[in-house]
Amino acid sequence: EAQVTQNPRYLITVTGKKLTVTCSQNMNHEYMSWYRQDPGLGLRQIYYSMNVEVTDKGDVPEGYKVSRKEKRNFPLILESPSPNQTSLYFCASSHRGGNQPQHFGDGTRLSIL
Amino acid sequence: AQKVTQAQTEISVVEKEDVTLDCVYETRDTTYYLFWYKQPPSGELVFLIRRNSFDEQNEISGRYSWNFQKSTSSFNFTITASQVVDSAVYFCALSEWNQFYFGTGTSLTVIP
Repeated sequence: EAQVTQNPRYLITVTGKKLTVTCSQNMNHEYMSWYRQDPGLGLRQIYYSMNVEVTDKGDVPEGYKVSRKEKRNFPLILESPSPNQTSLYFCASSHRGGNQPQHFGDGTRLSIL
Repeated sequence: AQKVTQAQTEISVVEKEDVTLDCVYETRDTTYYLFWYKQPPSGELVFLIRRNSFDEQNEISGRYSWNFQKSTSSFNFTITASQVVDSAVYFCALSEWNQFYFGTGTSLTVIP
C-alpha cells in the first residue's frame, strides 16, 4: 500500500530536548516536504526536498532542520524545541516537484512544555 | 502578505444545499499550480484537484466543481447537493517554484 509514514504520532516533551520526527515514503517519490498546521493559520511549509541531498527552506524554517540522505526518508529535527513549536506536523511526498498532488502522512502532534 | 486567502472561516449549510468555497491567490509568476485538499474530522489530508495556470477550463467531478478565473485570481470550489460526509476543512493551495502556500482553510458543516 502506497503510504507516507510518520513517527511518532504523538509526543510530549520539554523545552530544549532535541527530538526527531521521522518520515518515510514507499512510492519512490522525489519530492518530500514538511508542514505545520496551527489553528487559524492553515498549513505552512517548513522545508522541502526536491531529491536526495537537495533541501530548501519553506515559509517557516526557523528552529527546524532536515536532511535527505535517502530518497525514502526525510526526518524533521528540532535541535532545541520551544513551546511555540507545539503544533500538528505533516510530512508529504509527490513525484517530481511542487506541481504534483502530494500524499500526506497521518500527522504528528507535538507538545513542547 | 497572504498568498492564498480563504476569507470564509466557517460555513454551515443544510444537507442538499449548494455551497461555494472561495479561494483567492496572489502570484507574480506565469507558471503556477493550484490545489484543493479536504481534511475530514479524522484529520488526514485528501487531494481533490490540481489546476495549472495555463488551463482555465472549469472542471466537474460528480457533485464537485471548480471555477478557475485568472482575471480575478480566484479558484473557487462548489459542492452541489451537499451531504453530511462533505463536512470537513477545505484548503486551497498555491504552488510556485516548488514551494507550497496553503490558505487558512474553510470549515464546512453540513447539517442533516
